[in-house]
Amino acid sequence: KQEVTQIPAALSVPEGENLVLNCSFTDSAIYNLQWFRQDPGKGLTSLLLIQSSQREQTSGRLNASLDKSSGRSTLYIAASQPGDSATYLCALSMDSSYKLIFGSGTRLLVRP
Amino acid sequence: EPEVTQTPSHQVTQMGQEVILRCVPISNHLYFYWYRQILGQKVEFLVSFYNNEISEKSEIFDDQFSVERPDGSNFTLKIRSTKLEDSAMYFCASSPTRRNTEAFFGQGTRLTVV
Repeated sequence: KQEVTQIPAALSVPEGENLVLNCSFTDSAIYNLQWFRQDPGKGLTSLLLIQSSQREQTSGRLNASLDKSSGRSTLYIAASQPGDSATYLCALSMDSSYKLIFGSGTRLLVRP
Repeated sequence: EPEVTQTPSHQVTQMGQEVILRCVPISNHLYFYWYRQILGQKVEFLVSFYNNEISEKSEIFDDQFSVERPDGSNFTLKIRSTKLEDSAMYFCASSPTRRNTEAFFGQGTRLTVV
């Protein structure tokens, strides 16, 4: 059974710092992996989608990487800003399924 | 920019009552999903829907739950007899195709069962 883990559960950094959020999974037969942002009490905003055949994707200050063989994905946020404060979720789908399997998220606070 | 819209944003219902949560997926999308998030817990998959039928469902999605696409735009989740433990944020999502694509989520409906 696929398990998705995100470490750390919470992170507090000063503004301007570069940071890395981690996502690990137990079964490497994934189809794609998606990173989301969730603000308190709100919906999920898609940030980046990585196909299983890709190694990384970039959007603005965000860069997501995928290493299937080691069961890991990272989300790199450059020059963090207070507006980046939110919970970041990774979710993946398997070859044999339609559903997304979510991690429990990393709650990020960027201090001014 | 196209988005998934959900109504209502918040619904309070008495235990045992039926509720219908409504979603309008992005117009050219073919796959539709419901997820839920109990406060403080992970987002959990409930059901996926394609070509007017359920393509996959989780063990959570028992006989109390049903989904429907009553017309060309709406996608609904019905809970027949709500329980206290059904209190959660319910998210609708859609994607254009199954393969190589992003899932786009709505803002959610917060269901409170009292």
